[in-house]
Formats: sequence, structure tokens, C-alpha cells
Amino acid sequence: GAVVSQHPSWVICKSGTSVKIECRSLDFQATTMFWYRQFPKQSLMLMATSNEGSKATYEQGVEKDKFLINHASLTLSTLTVTSAHPEDSSFYICSALGTRDQETQYFGPGTRLLVL
Amino acid sequence: GDSVTQMEGPVTLSEEAFLTINCTYTATGYPSLFWYVQYPGEGLQLLLKATKADDKGSNKGFEATYRKETTSFHLEKGSVQVSDSAVYFCALTASSGGSYIPTFGRGTSLIVHP
Repeated sequence: GAVVSQHPSWVICKSGTSVKIECRSLDFQATTMFWYRQFPKQSLMLMATSNEGSKATYEQGVEKDKFLINHASLTLSTLTVTSAHPEDSSFYICSALGTRDQETQYFGPGTRLLVL
Repeated sequence: GDSVTQMEGPVTLSEEAFLTINCTYTATGYPSLFWYVQYPGEGLQLLLKATKADDKGSNKGFEATYRKETTSFHLEKGSVQVSDSAVYFCALTASSGGSYIPTFGRGTSLIVHP
């Protein structure tokens, strides 16, 4: 199947710092990437949708100035959590739709963020 | 808007038992339907999919049939194994203005005991 990577897989940071998470499609071009946040009771919350070369579309209630998303190329999207606080600690997952199959999302392995 | 409803878990079974996880959806148009599986500490993996009515998706012994008349896509497996313990997500993707919009259910945790 299609491969999507995320980096880092784990990050611990101090409150007030910024953290960047990368999402890469390794063997296909991703026209659309999605960023999700997963809470401890397993539900996925869609944060934003990004299309290559254009601004991300954020879901209601997600602060776009806090969660900066950049989709600069067809294989890379980044999520930057700015001025992170302990309540931002979570599991962040990206997925991609692309040239391989325009309807099927392929997910990255996730990034666990812990803000102290 | 579109929505996906799946049965609440956890579903707890003994090894070799029959599994059904119910999933129903509401959507305009003709969505594609998916089941994803998430093992502990990992991202989601595509398990199976169906793109039109009466299609059956299957993989690793799991099956689900796209039922348009009942707007359902129930996941089944005849004999579960301990290694099937995971969280299962039902999802749909609908086309909107040339874009594909995903909608996920809340996930159902499956626990299989030896």
C-alpha cells in the first residue's frame, strides 16, 4: 500500500515552545493532506485540510494561529504547534489523498506530543 | 452533513468467536466506504473498502458489504484472533466540488481474549 511517514514519532517539549511535525507521502503525490488529533478515548478529530500550494482549511474551533499548517509540495505537509501548552499534549496523525487513489486516505504512524 | 455511526465498544470476544461491528452512515450522493484498523500506538491502516452498492470489501478474513438500502457497512469476521485486538474505524469519503471529504465514526475497540 501507499506509504506515509511522520516525523518525529515522539516529542517532549517545554510549555511555550513550538513544535513542528512533518508528514511525507513517500511513494505518491499527495494532492490533499489531512491533520487529525486523537484524544485518549480514541475518537479522531479533523483539525484541518490542506491542498498543495494553498492555505489550509481549518475545522471550526481549531485555532489557525496556533496550529500552523504548510503544504509546500506534493509530498510534504507540516503542522507547527506554536507556543505549546500542556493541553496540546495529544496524538497527532496525518493522512494523504493523492494520485494513487483519490478516495482512499493513507495514514501516517502518528506523532505523540507531550508538553511539560 | 455526512455522518458515520458505529457501535460503541469495547467489544470483548474469546478467540475464534464471530465478530460483527455495526456501521451505518448518512450521506448525500454515493460515498465510498472504508474500514480502518488502528493497533495500539500506531496510525490507522486501511483494512478494506467498497466503492459502490453491493460491493464487498475483504481483507485478512474481514468482510463488509456496501448496503445502500440500509445505509450500512457492517464489519464481520468468522473467527477472531488475539492479534485482531485493535480499534476499528468506519469511514466514508464523499465527493464535493471535485474534492473528497472524509468522515469517520468514533471507533470501536475490539478486545480478543485467548
